[in-house]
Amino acid sequence: DVKVTQSSRYLVKRTGEKVFLECVQDMDHENMFWYRQDPGLGLRLIYFSYDVKMKEKGDIPEGYSVSREKKERFSLILESASTNQTSMYLCASTIGGGNTEAFFGQGTRLTVV
Amino acid sequence: AQRVTQPEKLLSVFKGAPVELKCNYSYSGSPELFWYVQYSRQRLQLLLRHISRESIKGFTADLNKGETSFHLKKPFAQEEDSAMYYCALIPSGTYKYIFGTGTRLKVLA
Repeated sequence: DVKVTQSSRYLVKRTGEKVFLECVQDMDHENMFWYRQDPGLGLRLIYFSYDVKMKEKGDIPEGYSVSREKKERFSLILESASTNQTSMYLCASTIGGGNTEAFFGQGTRLTVV
Repeated sequence: AQRVTQPEKLLSVFKGAPVELKCNYSYSGSPELFWYVQYSRQRLQLLLRHISRESIKGFTADLNKGETSFHLKKPFAQEEDSAMYYCALIPSGTYKYIFGTGTRLKVLA
């Protein structure tokens, strides 16, 4: 089974803190994604990466950055956390090529106080 | 603009009743379409995709290009079908998903 693992299930951070969300996949997938999941808004793409050190902005990149130094790891960084970034964050990966099935992590519920 | 619309936030049906979760998309080309499901306390996972034309857990979905719809159907709902369902598309030539806002299905005993 493909495993996509997010480092934390729950996080509580203070406004202004720098926050790191980590995601690791164990199946040599090319593409990795970070989404926010909010009620009534569905999944919105923050950033994605199609190769090591490569990244592209998604639909809502403001206030976020990412890092992909190794193929299996994709980190989401909140440069200065704000209360409106309180959300569920989902990491996903796809193998690439013609195979588009996405495998998701269990999610990180981030609360910024 | 490319968009996926799920008009129902919540759909409640009784066990044994037919279910239809609606999905409409806005895209000028030939997209790849999917349904993903998230059961309580589980991660989001693929339910089915239109290119495989298969039935998973009794669910089917037919792509109607004329109506730009990809509704998810099941003839007899089960309590274990209660979950959050997301319709999604991938525009041709890309690998980025566009998700709808989701429909929560509640199957009542």
